[in-house]
Amino acid sequence: ILNVEQSPQSLHVQEGDSTNFTCSFPSSNFYALHWYRWETAKSPEALFVMTLNGDEKKKGRISATLNTKEGYSYLYIKGSQPEDSATYLCAFKGNRDDKIIFGKGTRLHILP
Amino acid sequence: NAGVTQTPKFRILKIGQSMTLQCTQDMNHNYMYWYRQDPGMGLKLIYYSVGAGITDKGEVPNGYNVSRSTTEDFPLRLELAAPSQTSVYFCASSYMESGQPQHFGDGTRLSIL
Repeated sequence: ILNVEQSPQSLHVQEGDSTNFTCSFPSSNFYALHWYRWETAKSPEALFVMTLNGDEKKKGRISATLNTKEGYSYLYIKGSQPEDSATYLCAFKGNRDDKIIFGKGTRLHILP
Repeated sequence: NAGVTQTPKFRILKIGQSMTLQCTQDMNHNYMYWYRQDPGMGLKLIYYSVGAGITDKGEVPNGYNVSRSTTEDFPLRLELAAPSQTSVYFCASSYMESGQPQHFGDGTRLSIL
């Protein structure tokens, strides 16, 4: 069973501060990594799809990096705002025909 | 486009009852998925389908059945509801395979009493 680990589980950040968190996955095979943003009482929404080692993606104040050789991806949020409060999920796929595996998420709370 | 539509949004069942959770998508996605979300456990894959007429088990398929007679629809059936099936269920779809992001429905909150 493949393990996709996200850390920390929960994070409290002061409004205006920047933050980052990690998704770790097996480094033996890599096909794709997804990041999703999941607000309470809503459904997950895709942020990034990353497929190449060294990928860096950016959407506004949120960016992500990917290291497939060592098996991790970082998600960065610059200048946190209250609307950034959500659970951030990563999902990993090792081979083209494998099922995608979700991590348990990092729950981000932005403090006013 | 409506995206991924799930019905119902909420349902309470008695133990042993059966029901079908409906999921339809209008994006012509060939991949569709059913997940359940339990507190502290993230998303667990129940069943998925890579196209009409093809379904396969995910991580937690016991107690569920699916069918995929059309590209658009992917219903999830609970035959004999059990308290352990109390959860929030999400349907998702994607184009081709998992190099593309999944689009999720709004979820169905199901309680088995």
